Amino acid sequence: EDKVVQSPLSLVVHEGDTVTLNCSYEVTNFRSLLWYKQEKKAPTFLFMLTSSGIEKKSGRLSSILDKKELFSILNITATQTGDSAVYLCAARDTGNQFYFGTGTSLTVIP
Amino acid sequence: GAGVSQSPRYKVAKRGQDVALRCDPISGHVSLFWYQQALGQGPEFLTYFQNEAQLDKSGLPSDRFFAERPEGSVSTLKIQRTQQEDSAVYLCASSLGANYNEQFFGPGTRLTVL
Repeated sequence: EDKVVQSPLSLVVHEGDTVTLNCSYEVTNFRSLLWYKQEKKAPTFLFMLTSSGIEKKSGRLSSILDKKELFSILNITATQTGDSAVYLCAARDTGNQFYFGTGTSLTVIP
Repeated sequence: GAGVSQSPRYKVAKRGQDVALRCDPISGHVSLFWYQQALGQGPEFLTYFQNEAQLDKSGLPSDRFFAERPEGSVSTLKIQRTQQEDSAVYLCASSLGANYNEQFFGPGTRLTVL
């Protein structure tokens, strides 16, 4: 059964801390791995990863994919209260199905 | 507006009622997806359209769920004889092409079945 597992389920940190969010996947006919940020509304796209070992960066956020070990990490450095959200990981297969994890709930305390 | 819109934003239904949820994707987007998101869970795939063709409906939980996109733009998700376990947020997402990864999500419809 295709699935995506994220860890930790929740995380509480102080402003300025660095966090690492984990995503492992088991998806037949894997195509790409995507990260989303979900606040109290619909998910917004962060990154798409298709190749192993190539880091994607956007400001304080970065992500990398390991297709051999079937996982991805999302790093957030110098966290801010505005980073508080649920971070969703999704694996897309070649048939256009997207499999989402349950998300990691991040709370950044001032 | 330039984004995906959904209506209604909130729907309360009595058990057994039929409901229809509407999604207006971004103009020109070929692909359209429906997801069901229960509280505290990630979105669960329901169905996928490429233009008007429903290419994958493997995620629809039962034959009470039906989706259509007759003209390749607006889509409707219909749930017949609603049950309490249907209570969830129903998210619609669209993407530009058939092989384009970035999905743009609508705000969702929160369905509560009493």
